[in-house]
Amino acid sequence: GQNIDQPTEMTATEGAIVQINCTYQTSGFNGLFWYQQHAGEAPTFLSYNVLDGLEEKGRFSSFLSRSKGYSYLLLKELQMKDSASYLCAVSPSLNQAGTALIFGKGTTLSVSS
Amino acid sequence: DSGVTQTPKHLITATGQRVTLRCSPRSGDLSVYWYQQSLDQGLQFLIQYYNGEERAKGNILERFSAQQFPDLHSELNLSSLELGDSALYFCASSVDPGRQAEQYFGPGTRLTVT
Repeated sequence: GQNIDQPTEMTATEGAIVQINCTYQTSGFNGLFWYQQHAGEAPTFLSYNVLDGLEEKGRFSSFLSRSKGYSYLLLKELQMKDSASYLCAVSPSLNQAGTALIFGKGTTLSVSS
Repeated sequence: DSGVTQTPKHLITATGQRVTLRCSPRSGDLSVYWYQQSLDQGLQFLIQYYNGEERAKGNILERFSAQQFPDLHSELNLSSLELGDSALYFCASSVDPGRQAEQYFGPGTRLTVT
């Protein structure tokens, strides 16, 4: 089966660093995505990892270990506007028809001052 | 603004009814995806179209159907609606399903079935 796990909720303070973990078990793997979603709004793309290692993009970084089925999203210098849900999503396989994503249920991050 | 448009933004209807949700992908994107997001289930993939043809199917009920038209816009039809169909329905598009690409999401249609 397909399964993606991430914590339901996390809290942090402004200026801090937070790491959101994601573990996955899927029938194949063709990349892992992180999306940010504010309440009632559309998910917006944050990062994509297909090879092992760290991808850095400004205040956000994402890490992938394919052998462990594990990824994390690292948010630095937290701001109030970072309060949102963070969705981990896996593309199971490029060989299968389609490139739809399987999403985790999301981690709701609350940033306080 | 992702460039993906969806109409209507909100829809309230009664059980047993039928509704149509509409999506226009970003200019140049050939692939359209439909997702359902409910509070307890998270984002669930329903169906994908590429250049007018169905490409992949996810957890889509038989009461639901979709199509992609020659101008690449897509419609999701939901029939015999039940209370449990109340959810946010998102459309997403990407440029080329032949390789993995990020998907751009529209603002969603909030469906409430009463």
